[in-house]
Amino acid sequence: DAKTTQPNSMESNEEEPVHLPCNHSTISGTDYIHWYRQLPSQGPEYVIHGLTSNVNNRMASLAIAEDRKSSTLILHRATLRDAAVYYCILPFTGGGNKLTFGTGTQLKVEL
Amino acid sequence: NAGVTQTPKFQVLKTGQSMTLQCAQDMNHNSMYWYRQDPGMGLRLIYYSASEGTTDKGEVPNGYNVSRLNKREFSLRLESAAPSQTSVYFCASSEIAGRRNSPLHFGNGTRLTVT
Repeated sequence: DAKTTQPNSMESNEEEPVHLPCNHSTISGTDYIHWYRQLPSQGPEYVIHGLTSNVNNRMASLAIAEDRKSSTLILHRATLRDAAVYYCILPFTGGGNKLTFGTGTQLKVEL
Repeated sequence: NAGVTQTPKFQVLKTGQSMTLQCAQDMNHNSMYWYRQDPGMGLRLIYYSASEGTTDKGEVPNGYNVSRLNKREFSLRLESAAPSQTSVYFCASSEIAGRRNSPLHFGNGTRLTVT
C-alpha cells in the first residue's frame, strides 16, 4: 500500500496561514489524496481530497505537486479551533475506500 | 441529521467478557467501517462492509467479528475481550463502495477499557 510521510508536529500563530506538507512518493495514478483532521476526543473529520488539480473548499485548499509525489494542505487563516491532528492518507491498494491513517501532524495554534 | 452514531460511548470490561459495539448511520451510505485508535497511533482498520450483506477484513481483524445488520447498522463484537483490545473504536461510513474519492464520515468513538 502507498505510504505517506508527514512531520510529527507544526506550530502556527492565529490568523496566519499554515502549510501542512505530505510526501507520498509511491502514490499510484488513480489514488486520490485525502486529508482528515481529528480534534481532541472526537472522530476524524473530512477536510478535503483531490487527484491531480489543486482543490479549494470552505475549510482549506489542497495543493498537489505536478508529479503527485507530494501535497500541501493550506489553512488560509489558522484559528485556535484548527488545533488538531491532520492526516494525509491514501486508499489501500486494491480499490475501495479503505483508508489507512498514519500518525499525522499535530498542529498547535498560538495566540 | 445525526450522521454516524456509536453506542456506548464508554465501556469497561473484564478479560474474557464479550460485548457488541453498535454503529448506525442515517446518510443512506453503502459502505461502513470499524477502526481502532491506540494512544499515540493512527487509526487502524479492523473490518469494513463495502455494501449491505458483505464484510471484509482490514489490517487488524483478529479477536473481532462484525455484522452488517442492514444498510444503516454495522456492529463490532468482541467475543472474549483481552487487555490488548483496550482502545478507542471509531465507526465510519461512506457513500459509494469502490469509489476512492468518497469521503468517510466518522462517529465520535467508543472508549473501551479491558482490565
